[in-house]
This record gives sequence, structure tokens and C-alpha cells, in this order.
Amino acid sequence: AQSVAQPEDQVNVAEGNPLTVKCTYSVSGNPYLFWYVQYPNRGLQFLLKYITGDNLVKGSYGFEAEFNKSQTSFHLKKPSALVSDSALYFCAVRDRLYNQGGKLIFGQGTELSVKP
Amino acid sequence: ETGVTQTPRHLVMGMTNKKSLKCEQHLGHNAMYWYKQSAKKPLELMFVYSLEERVENNSVPSRFSPECPNSSHLFLHLHTLQPEDSALYLCASSQEPPSANSNQPQHFGDGTRLSIL
Repeated sequence: AQSVAQPEDQVNVAEGNPLTVKCTYSVSGNPYLFWYVQYPNRGLQFLLKYITGDNLVKGSYGFEAEFNKSQTSFHLKKPSALVSDSALYFCAVRDRLYNQGGKLIFGQGTELSVKP
Repeated sequence: ETGVTQTPRHLVMGMTNKKSLKCEQHLGHNAMYWYKQSAKKPLELMFVYSLEERVENNSVPSRFSPECPNSSHLFLHLHTLQPEDSALYLCASSQEPPSANSNQPQHFGDGTRLSIL
């Protein structure tokens, strides 16, 4: 069965410090992996995705994510956090082989709080 | 502007009312989705439409009835809802190729905040 886990409900970071939001996944085949961000009273916004190739993926707003096949992880990172990065972050996975109608499996979300 | 517009943004209704949520996508996509987002819970996929045909219905109660009249519009008809149905309802769309091997992201609207009295 496909699943995604975000082990931290909340991550607190000081502005200017690096941030990491963790994600691990489980799929039968090779995955496509995605990160989304949700600001208050808004829908989810696509940040970045991993398809194949370079394990370090760069996305919007200075975010990047590192794919690690052996650890089945896809952690979201940013070298220097901004207060405006405070939001809810979702990791999602799609199994390349067992994919029906574009279905994504989402993690439960991680609340990122960046303090000045 | 995400390219996916949901109306209304907020809806308060009694348990015996009938209402509909509307979603319109301006991205030329061929697949549309309804999700339910409750506090402290992960996103729940409710329905998937691909090329205007329903391809997934995740054991959603019959008081929720989807309709996809064309590839740009998706509705969620509501009838005799329960207090536990209060949530943010999100619509999304994506472009899916004929094969299952798709890496396309979904694009989300800003949701309808539904409150059941």
C-alpha cells in the first residue's frame, strides 16, 4: 500500500536559520514525489517535485528537497528561513506503476513556524 | 491566481438544506478532484474525475453527490449534511496523459469553508 509520513506535526525555526521538514514514503514501485505549501485560508500551492535524475530538486521560494532512495525520504529544506515561510507543508507521493486517474497520497502535514 | 476558482468561499447551512459547491478550472486540464480537509486530519480524497468520468469514489456518503458536466467544471451537491461534515472542501485539477505514468502536479483552488449548523 502507498503511504506518506510526516513525523513532525510542528517545526519551529528562528528566522535566518536553515529549516528541514521531514517526509518518508512507501510505494510498491518508483515514486513521483511532491511538496505543497498551504497558507491560512488558501488552497495548496505546488512547490516542487521529484521525477528522476538529480536527487536534489529545487523549487519555488528558495525551497529544495533531497530524494534519498535508500531511506525512502524526501525532506524539504531551505538554507535560510523567513517569517513568511510560516505555513502548513504537505508531502505527497504518486506510484509510477499503480497510478489511477492522477491520484496523490498526501502526508498529514507539518506546521512550520518561523520566529523573528 | 491559481487557475482554479471555487465558489462560494464560505457557506453556512443547516442540516436539512441543499446547496452546491462549484469549481472551475481555467488551465485546460482533463482531471478534477474533490478533497475534504478537516482540522487535525490529513487531506481526504473524495472524488476523482478523469475526462469527465468518475474514476474514484472513496467511500463517500451519499449525502455528497459530485457532478462533472465538462472538463472545466466540477460541482459537489450537498444534502442533509451532518455537523462532522464541517470542513474546508478543496477542488484540484491536473493534466493526465492516457497512460498511468504521470508526474503532473495538481493545482488547487482556495476552497470552500463549510459550516453545518
